Amino acid sequence: RKEVEQDPGPFNVPEGATVAFNCTYSNSASQSFFWYRQDCRKEPKLLMSVYSSGNEDGRFTAQLNRASQYISLLIRDSKLSDSATYLCVVNSPNQAGTALIFGKGTTLSVSS
Amino acid sequence: DAGVTQSPTHLIKTRGQQVTLRCSPKSGHDTVSWYQQALGQGPQFIFQYYEEEERQRGNFPDRFSGHQFPNYSSELNVNALLLGDSALYLCASSEGHRRNTEAFFGQGTRLTVV
Repeated sequence: RKEVEQDPGPFNVPEGATVAFNCTYSNSASQSFFWYRQDCRKEPKLLMSVYSSGNEDGRFTAQLNRASQYISLLIRDSKLSDSATYLCVVNSPNQAGTALIFGKGTTLSVSS
Repeated sequence: DAGVTQSPTHLIKTRGQQVTLRCSPKSGHDTVSWYQQALGQGPQFIFQYYEEEERQRGNFPDRFSGHQFPNYSSELNVNALLLGDSALYLCASSEGHRRNTEAFFGQGTRLTVV
């Protein structure tokens, strides 16, 4: 089983749609969780951290369920500019450092 | 304030050759991590450097080695290149190797092995 697994893509949605991405992680000792966004042929950039209580940043909402080892990202009112690959990321639970473990990514394409 | 900078941006090498990639961290950051991203995959952790020492290593062979300098910049070396080493190599910097602070990525070096 892969350490971080994400929904297979691609997701093709019209502008204004609501889209949800899901992710599961295998190591229950992981303590930090993130969603990164990566545009085509660019570097990943932090979209938002994910907290147990859930957190929202404008049109983006992230949820974490530690018991199920499940992370989600909800994007409301999709914009053309949301088209990108979304990477689910957890930290590697190792006292020696703060390595990040990435999922394969889910590609979102928003069309007009 | 310059972010994370990597050089070169693109590189073509022949099988069996050696390559060195360079990374300058974001100002104020002391920890540098390297990742390999193959086409269509998420980045895979190679190793992390802090205080000029390798602190954590992913599942990569010894052909992959690195170094961190006193100014926190870092190099990634890959020996005996294989076709499968073709990928985007990303450097990420952060503050404090045990703190889960935000990691900032450079634009990457795209390595092609022919």
